[in-house]
Amino acid sequence: GNSVTQMEGPVTLSEEAFLTINCTYTATGYPSLFWYVQYPGEGLQLLLKATKADDKGSNKGFEATYRKETTSFHLEKGSVQVSDSAVYFCALRSSIQGAQKLVFGQGTRLTINP
Amino acid sequence: EAGVAQSPRYKIIEKRQSVAFWCNPISGHATLYWYQQILGQGPKLLIQFQNNGVVDDSQLPKDRFSAERLKGVDSTLKIQPAKLEDSAVYLCASSSQRDNYEQYFGPGTRLTVT
Repeated sequence: GNSVTQMEGPVTLSEEAFLTINCTYTATGYPSLFWYVQYPGEGLQLLLKATKADDKGSNKGFEATYRKETTSFHLEKGSVQVSDSAVYFCALRSSIQGAQKLVFGQGTRLTINP
Repeated sequence: EAGVAQSPRYKIIEKRQSVAFWCNPISGHATLYWYQQILGQGPKLLIQFQNNGVVDDSQLPKDRFSAERLKGVDSTLKIQPAKLEDSAVYLCASSSQRDNYEQYFGPGTRLTVT
């Protein structure tokens, strides 16, 4: 079945450091790929997405490129801020018998120190 | 536009008791989802509704969990009887075709079973 594997956390960085959170997936067909973010005490929010191979999703300085050849969708940011501290989830969405099903990775907790 | 509403935000019960969660999706969203998020894991889909019909309930433990969406708007998720391993955050999400099925999440209900 479909699955998503994320880099294990927690990840702790200093402000202005470069961030990479690895995500790889296993899926049949051509899924869409997503990064969601969960700030403390809040629900999941969509951060960025890519719907086909070689697409780059970007938002709030974060980027991720859909790499079909390596089945990856790594999240990057050039200079992190304290406000980026949150849990990040990689997910894929596939259409199975009419259902749009999201499958999530286990999440990576990111802490940014000033 | 109002987001997905859930209540209660927190619930503590003893094992073998019953509990119910309520979700009000974004207006006009035909598809509604319930997810279970155990601490340290990504959300797992329990059930998906399209209007008031079930599209996918393959991961719903039907011996103790039930869900309904009688009028195709609000939904309730019930657990009876609860077990210790049901302690989790229960997330509701909704989506619509007009938004390319992007899922919008509510804040969740944190359930603790003692």
